Amino acid sequence: DVKVTQSSRYLVKRTGEKVFLECVQDMDHENMFWYRQDPGLGLRLIYFSYDVKMKEKGDIPEGYSVSREKKERFSLILESASTNQTSMYLCASTLTDSYEQYFGPGTRLTVT
Amino acid sequence: QKEVEQNSGPLSVPEGAIASLNCTYSDRGSQSFFWYRQYSGKSPELIMFIYSNGDKEDGRFTAQLNKASQYVSLLIRDSQPSDSATYLCAVDSGNTGKLIFGQGTTLQVKP
Repeated sequence: DVKVTQSSRYLVKRTGEKVFLECVQDMDHENMFWYRQDPGLGLRLIYFSYDVKMKEKGDIPEGYSVSREKKERFSLILESASTNQTSMYLCASTLTDSYEQYFGPGTRLTVT
Repeated sequence: QKEVEQNSGPLSVPEGAIASLNCTYSDRGSQSFFWYRQYSGKSPELIMFIYSNGDKEDGRFTAQLNKASQYVSLLIRDSQPSDSATYLCAVDSGNTGKLIFGQGTTLQVKP
């Protein structure tokens, strides 16, 4: 079974803090994705990566950056957290040439 | 802008009935179609995928694809209260590796 894990289920941070969200997958998947999910707005893609050290912007990259130093790990960084980044953050991964995305359990981030 | 449309619901069905969830998409070039189930407070879970026109059955679930009409549906037979969740339709966005998700349909199965 594919296993995607995220570093925290719940996280509370203050405005202006730098926040790191970590995602690890154990199935040697090439592709990894970060989404945020908000009521009424659905799943929105923030960034994705096809390979180590490669990244592509998704639909809403502003205020976020990512890092992929190892194949199994994809980090989402909020450089200076703001209250409008309070959301559920979901990581997903797939094999190359596959669209079957497998999601981690999610991190519910609250920025106060 | 490529889009995937779903009725947000809620769709309410009695236990034992067939639940029918529908999804339309805008990109005629899409080849891969997925249904995810998401329980409240949890992450999406892949339950079905379909690539070819017609029906694909897996237990109580049947995915139906009609590329000419650009819709995909999910039928849940013998609905159970445990099927109550939000169902997300997702479609590939062409050779990008990305999926486009619909907003999801909330299903309520009443005992």
